Amino acid sequence: QQQVKQSPQSLIVQKGGISIINCAYENTAFDYFPWYQQFPGKGPALLIAIRPDVSEKKEGRFTISFNKSAKQFSLHIMDSQPGDSATYFCAAREGYQTGANNLFFGTGTRLTVIP
Amino acid sequence: DAGVTQSPTHLIKTRGQQVTLRCSPKSGHDTVSWYQQALGQGPQFIFQYYEEEERQRGNFPDRFSGHQFPNYSSELNVNALLLGDSALYLCASSLVRIGVNTEAFFGQGTRLTVV
Repeated sequence: QQQVKQSPQSLIVQKGGISIINCAYENTAFDYFPWYQQFPGKGPALLIAIRPDVSEKKEGRFTISFNKSAKQFSLHIMDSQPGDSATYFCAAREGYQTGANNLFFGTGTRLTVIP
Repeated sequence: DAGVTQSPTHLIKTRGQQVTLRCSPKSGHDTVSWYQQALGQGPQFIFQYYEEEERQRGNFPDRFSGHQFPNYSSELNVNALLLGDSALYLCASSLVRIGVNTEAFFGQGTRLTVV
């Protein structure tokens, strides 16, 4: 059972455009929602993360929008660049209060930014 | 500051053999988690080690075992390898306490191919 559902599976965006990736979850105990960026042959690298007490977090060109009632969150990449071409994973974790730290990952979105 | 380091980077094993993968956590981190990432999929949590004990375990068979050493480094052992064990194995380190839960930093992974 996939605890975090991610879409789309792949995305092609023109340089300068906006890339949007969506994720949904069911477990209301999740209390931390990170996004990871992964290049071929590399491990995932943390891009940006949000906790459910805020609805939006922005860091540079990257923004997370979080809808607690709908149990959905999304990543927006503004002014997308060819260097952003990578696979993006959303994830969720329950554990701030329990000390658990295992992440549940989505299936990934392969982003291609065309020059 | 060295990040999470894993060895070896690539490994080819024959079905039925046993394999050991190694991980050194980021400086200051004391918790190590292992993930399996099949081709085209998101990472799946295998288990987590803290204070030299397995603290959490995902849905993986007993053929997967681990160890954590006093210097916080860790090993992942897989016995009786199956073709389906072919994957990228990722190590992530963090500092985890109730109420304090740092980001998980991933290594570059070990690519295991079972033939």
